[in-house]
Amino acid sequence: AQSVTQLDSQVPVFEEAPVELRCNYSSSVSVYLFWYVQYPNQGLQLLLKYLSGSTLVESINGFEAEFNKSQTSFHLRKPSVHISDTAEYFCAVKGYSTLTFGKGTMLLVSP
Amino acid sequence: DTEVTQTPKHLVMGMTNKKSLKCEQHMGHRAMYWYKQKAKKPPELMFVYSYEKLSINESVPSRFSPECPNSSLLNLHLHALQPEDSALYLCASSQDEGGPGELFFGEGSRLTVL
Repeated sequence: AQSVTQLDSQVPVFEEAPVELRCNYSSSVSVYLFWYVQYPNQGLQLLLKYLSGSTLVESINGFEAEFNKSQTSFHLRKPSVHISDTAEYFCAVKGYSTLTFGKGTMLLVSP
Repeated sequence: DTEVTQTPKHLVMGMTNKKSLKCEQHMGHRAMYWYKQKAKKPPELMFVYSYEKLSINESVPSRFSPECPNSSLLNLHLHALQPEDSALYLCASSQDEGGPGELFFGEGSRLTVL
């Protein structure tokens, strides 16, 4: 069985401030890790993924996440957020088959 | 083409109606999925099709009936739904059911049951 924990349901932050969204997972097998973003009234978009290799992965819009096997974490970070980053962020884990989502973290960026 | 297309975007139906949600992808993916998402909740897996055969049914009520006519299309037939079935229904696809491939999601069909 596999599970994902996103402890923060909501993270308010000011524009241009750094942010970290936390994600911890548990699994009895090797996993693949993902961050998806969902803007209001839209579907889910893949933000970044960890499959193997370098533990630091980056997205094209400035987000990065680091896979830490010993701490079973895959936290998402951005050094300077924009208003347009306001959205729901889901961490997800995939083992042999299905994709399991965390409960999501709402990132609220204000001016 | 990296899109998953869902129609309709919005659907309102009564509890005695029969309607269908449609999903299409042209990425050559062999696995397709239906998820249900309630407001402020994560998506919940409903069905998985792999190579056009039903692979996983997450104990979904029979008023939801999936169909995979071919490798590019996935339908969800709706009949005698309840108001609590109102939600965003998301279709997704991936290269294969297993392995590292990510899921590509459509924009969703927002269903309201009156």
